[in-house]
Amino acid sequence: SQQGEEDPQALSIQEGENATMNCSYKTSINNLQWYRQNSGRGLVHLILIRSNEREKHSGRLRVTLDTSKKSSSLLITASRAADTASYFCATRQAGTALIFGKGTTLSVSS
Amino acid sequence: GAVVSQHPSWVICKSGTSVKIECRSLDFQATTMFWYRQFPKQSLMLMATSNEGSKATYEQGVEKDKFLINHASLTLSTLTVTSAHPEDSSFYICSALVGATSGNTIYFGEGSWLTVV
Repeated sequence: SQQGEEDPQALSIQEGENATMNCSYKTSINNLQWYRQNSGRGLVHLILIRSNEREKHSGRLRVTLDTSKKSSSLLITASRAADTASYFCATRQAGTALIFGKGTTLSVSS
Repeated sequence: GAVVSQHPSWVICKSGTSVKIECRSLDFQATTMFWYRQFPKQSLMLMATSNEGSKATYEQGVEKDKFLINHASLTLSTLTVTSAHPEDSSFYICSALVGATSGNTIYFGEGSWLTVV
């Protein structure tokens, strides 16, 4: 089962630009997490935002959460070629597994 | 942080054979582990929830007789793909729950590439 959608499905930008990815989900959640996955590799946990939080920062990452709209956004500022990867949001309800969205493929060209 | 190890990282098997993938929590006990499957250019799909000492809970559409999950100890869960077919070729990734409450962290293994020829 999948929780929701990421938007856009693919994003191509130049180094130095900002990248914004959106995620929508369907059910109530305890927290929402963003992961990065390089091609053919495992997942890298980026950031977790709890349902009672609205915004969180970590380095060049900024995540927002709007539980009334059941949506979240991930902003990567001053992107680098090394940020090229697929990005997934994942939600969790009480005592359950992470359910992943469909992902956004980000390509950053130098 | 907590470490989850998957083995093998990649495996090639012949159609009709079975292959086992192991998921180990190296420095913590995991009463609950989760198995996902990811086809190329797609997202991770939850296959099943593995609970130590009890039967796994499978997601709708996942054949429990084909994907055998055993969680015999607090640090090891195994996924056996039985009678493998080329369409079972995929990236399989496990995760382990640290602690028993919903707020605790989930750690992922590095994944296992299965190619069935």
